[in-house]
Amino acid sequence: GAVVSQHPSRVICKSGTSVKIECRSLDFQATTMFWYRQFPKQSLMLMATSNEGSKATYEQGVEKDKFLINHASLTLSTLTVASAHPEDSSFYICSARVQGGSNQPQHFGDGTRLSIL
Amino acid sequence: LAKTTQPISMDSYEGQEVNITCSHNNIATNDYITWYQQFPSQGPRFIIQGYKTKVTNEVASLFIPADRKSSTLSLPRVSLSDTAVYYCLVGDPTGANNLFFGTGTRLTVIP
Repeated sequence: GAVVSQHPSRVICKSGTSVKIECRSLDFQATTMFWYRQFPKQSLMLMATSNEGSKATYEQGVEKDKFLINHASLTLSTLTVASAHPEDSSFYICSARVQGGSNQPQHFGDGTRLSIL
Repeated sequence: LAKTTQPISMDSYEGQEVNITCSHNNIATNDYITWYQQFPSQGPRFIIQGYKTKVTNEVASLFIPADRKSSTLSLPRVSLSDTAVYYCLVGDPTGANNLFFGTGTRLTVIP
């Protein structure tokens, strides 16, 4: 089946550090990937849609200068949290759909736990 | 964008069948219904997807009535490892409008 891999699985760093999270589709190509954020005991919140070769589309209230998305190839999207602060601590999850065919569900990575001290 | 409503939580004993219902009164013609399972500190995992009537796979069944305004995820003979949060999403899988998660249902399986 389709596999989405995220790296790293956990990051702990000081306030002010920029953190990059990678999302890879291992056995399929994805022109579109999605980034979510999930706070404890809450549901997933869509942050942005990552489009290969073009700018990402951000949801309302998500700062594009804070959460930098790059989708440079058909199998890799990166999310960089610029100058992270404690309030950015959260569980970040990416997903992708298999291209082609119809009615393809999203396949999710296992998430990245970001803790800013 | 079809909003979904699910029970916040459910408890069940091991070995029982569990049915989780999702309401989606404003589902559109092109919308599909997709269910995901999420364990703590993991990404959601696809369970099943359907458009109408009944869909069954190796882990679950999905029942969708003719009006499609609701759907029911059925988990046969649950075990402790089925304790998780279950999300129902409704939207057009080829578009960008089935990406929004509702509150989900927290299922706790009791020994």
